[in-house]
Amino acid sequence: EVQLLESGGGLVQPGGSLRLSCAASGFTFSTYALTWVRQAPGEGLEWVSGFSGSGGKTYYADSVKGRFTISRDNSKNTLLLQMNSLRADDTAVYYCARGVDSGSYTPFEYWGPGTLVTVSS
Amino acid sequence: EVVLTQSPDFQSVTPKEKVTITCRASQSIGSSLHWYQQKPDQSPKLLIKFASQSISGVPSRFSGSGSGTDFTLTINSLEAEDAAAYYCHQSSSLPFTFGPGTKVDIK
Repeated sequence: EVQLLESGGGLVQPGGSLRLSCAASGFTFSTYALTWVRQAPGEGLEWVSGFSGSGGKTYYADSVKGRFTISRDNSKNTLLLQMNSLRADDTAVYYCARGVDSGSYTPFEYWGPGTLVTVSS
Repeated sequence: EVVLTQSPDFQSVTPKEKVTITCRASQSIGSSLHWYQQKPDQSPKLLIKFASQSISGVPSRFSGSGSGTDFTLTINSLEAEDAAAYYCHQSSSLPFTFGPGTKVDIK
């Protein structure tokens, strides 16, 4: 059974940093592209960043480019999101998601339960 | 960036009624359009992939159609458990984008 479990969310002051983790199980982690999607309270879904299954390609939304860094540790089956220079509009539930098959980012067939990041003083 | 618009924003429907949600893309995206359902306090769930392809385990009352710029999600014979927000999502080009969502409420 495919499982994704995010952790690392919490309350942080504007300008601060936070690192999110997504622990994966139930599939060959290294062969799948993985993605972070966020959802601000009461709002819709926003694609944040993706990491390819092979080749090490990364992609970012303009809203987080230069502030967020996605990485993965294939030895620990973990996807990471380092978030720096956080702003109030980064407040959201952050989801980790996996595509329907290896080699494809989307569509997102598997989602974690999400972790809440709150940026506030 | 491909902008997705959805209509309606909100729909209140009686059980067994048919629901139609449309998604329009700002440029042609072929069939790279997917639909998700999100119930309150839950993660999104994939309902339809590549405009019209069904997903294992998703009830057959959910179907999708369209290509290019205009797409439709249809829920035949709505059930109470279908109360949720529905989002379209395009994977034709980066950045991947989502529609603003359509909330379906049960009368």
